[in-house]
Amino acid sequence: GIQVEQSPPDLILQEGANSTLRCNFSDSVNNLQWFHQNPWGQLINLFYIPSGTKQNGRLSATTVATERYSLLYISSSQTTDSGVYFCAVEGRGAQKLVFGQGTRLTINP
Amino acid sequence: DAGITQSPRYKITETGRQVTLMCHQTWSHSYMFWYRQDLGHGLRLIYYSAAADITDKGEVPDGYVVSRSKTENFPLTLESATRSQTSVYFCASSESVLARRYFGPGTRLTVL
Repeated sequence: GIQVEQSPPDLILQEGANSTLRCNFSDSVNNLQWFHQNPWGQLINLFYIPSGTKQNGRLSATTVATERYSLLYISSSQTTDSGVYFCAVEGRGAQKLVFGQGTRLTINP
Repeated sequence: DAGITQSPRYKITETGRQVTLMCHQTWSHSYMFWYRQDLGHGLRLIYYSAAADITDKGEVPDGYVVSRSKTENFPLTLESATRSQTSVYFCASSESVLARRYFGPGTRLTVL
């Protein structure tokens, strides 16, 4: 099945810094989503982005499907951005969203 | 707008008992999903449903049973709980298989 690799596994930053999280996948996809799991465990859908670029406030995401990667950008980080960020992909012909292992982001005040 | 809710939020049970986790969504989404989240394994799909009365196995279905008699409800039953089923269980829904997936708050299940 399709493989998903996220990097870095851990990232510690000061408030106000910018960050880039990467998601590599091993095959063509027709579905790619980014999620944030906050420290209370809630999973929040950030983007549905199988290709192209989207922005939502301080967050933006870009997926380059031909090169099999996606990037999540967080600008002017706030402590509330802390948590684990998951990339999930669904390969063509599959009906299963496969999650990466996540990037744990810690924003210190 | 309640969105997607799960109950109970916390459950402690004993090995061999039957447990049912409830999931309810108010969006009339066609698709619903059950995942479990464990350290070292991430999120894994247990079962999913494309519509009422249509269910299919995911990655780790053994030991679980689902039903979907109504579009808005998707209960997950552990017929005879085992310690290895101690986990956090998430229900999710989406309009279609390729649409954005929305997760419930999770149920933390402990099997003693």
